[in-house]
Amino acid sequence: QIQLQQSGPGLVKPSQTLSLTCAISGDSVSSTSATWNWIRQSPSRGLEWLGRTYYRSKWYSYYAVSVKSRISIKADTSKNQVSLQLNSVTPEDTAVYFCARGPSHFAFWGQGTLVTVSS
Amino acid sequence: QSVLTQPPSASGTPGQRVTISCSGSSSNVGSNTVNWYQQVPGTAPRLLMYSNNQRPSGVPDRFSGSKSGASASLAISGLQSDDEAHYHCAAWDDSLQGWVFGGGTKLTVL
Repeated sequence: QIQLQQSGPGLVKPSQTLSLTCAISGDSVSSTSATWNWIRQSPSRGLEWLGRTYYRSKWYSYYAVSVKSRISIKADTSKNQVSLQLNSVTPEDTAVYFCARGPSHFAFWGQGTLVTVSS
Repeated sequence: QSVLTQPPSASGTPGQRVTISCSGSSSNVGSNTVNWYQQVPGTAPRLLMYSNNQRPSGVPDRFSGSKSGASASLAISGLQSDDEAHYHCAAWDDSLQGWVFGGGTKLTVL
């Protein structure tokens, strides 16, 4: 059974970088039939897809327009995990962040991490 | 506001049939399949329906999905108390080149 285990700090100061990891078990981050996505949820914006990375002979990463200038999603094959970095955060980035496995639907999700942006 | 439009709330009594709508545009629901997620507060969304009307293993056949043009619907028949949750629709958007979601519908079982 595929499981996604998230980790990372729950509090980040404004202007700093939000960093989360998603450890994958039961599947390979390099699987050519999967995509690895980050999605966040807040009361004001609901569910918001942030981006994805996947391997198809080489690595690809694509991001939502709303965060494209601030985001990086990368795979670590040695640890079989995916990471999210969101730079220059503001209080509007306060949300529950999820990792999820694609490609055509999200059947597997991480447990979610509440990240609060506050000084 | 969300790209896909859902009613914020829906309700029904046990045993009733309830329908939740999801309205999009030609760049998302109109040209791609729709997935539905069920979410109990404090937990991650759970895949409920994919490719418009396909139920993952373990989802009862009381749940059904349909799509017509740029609108989709999720129907729940024989409503049960543990169906009380938030329901979200999602679709790929060809213009935005990303996944878009509805704002979610809170289902209350009276």
